[in-house]
Amino acid sequence: AQTVTQSQPEMSVQEAETVTLSCTYDTSESDYYLFWYKQPPSRQMILVIRQEAYKQQNATENRFSVNFQKAAKSFSLKISDSQLGDAAMYFCAYRTFGGYQKVTFGTGTKLQVIP
Amino acid sequence: SAVISQKPSRDICQRGTSLTIQCQVDSQVTMMFWYRQQPGQSLTLIATANQGSEATYESGFVIDKFPISRPNLTFSTLTVSNMSPEDSSIYLCSVEDTGSYGYTFGSGTRLTVV
Repeated sequence: AQTVTQSQPEMSVQEAETVTLSCTYDTSESDYYLFWYKQPPSRQMILVIRQEAYKQQNATENRFSVNFQKAAKSFSLKISDSQLGDAAMYFCAYRTFGGYQKVTFGTGTKLQVIP
Repeated sequence: SAVISQKPSRDICQRGTSLTIQCQVDSQVTMMFWYRQQPGQSLTLIATANQGSEATYESGFVIDKFPISRPNLTFSTLTVSNMSPEDSSIYLCSVEDTGSYGYTFGSGTRLTVV
């Protein structure tokens, strides 16, 4: 079974600084998707960024970028120019390639942004 | 991306009673997924609901406790039956976003059982 591990229960960053959240996963599959979701106190799960395993290029979305190391099964999220609105729980997630596959979530990292 | 309306947003219920949570999607979807998020925890998949067939439950979840209905391609309900304080959680429904291969989530139902 696939597992997703986030070893940092909490992180903090100064506003405007950069922070990196770590994620490792375990799978025997070669094709899959990886995601980072953000869950603010409103509870709404928001997709931040996704990565297809077959793509070597790291995904970027504005201030958010990932460092995908397939051989190491590592998928970290870098947030640049941190803003107060970035404060939230961040979940790393995995799903197998193919339609209608369930998503497996990590345990989450609570990010605090210090003004 | 699909838009999901989930209700109620929160409820406080007496132990031994049942609560039905509804999710309405603004487009037709084949599969809907129900997750539970216990306080301070990650999301755990309860079951997958396919229209026209019985839901598929994950290990540790049973139909008698969490009956699911999926009457059409835009709607599903999850019932939490015979509730106990241990059922106090956030319950979320989700659907696959065919554009991103990620999943879109409802806004969640915060359930407190007293």
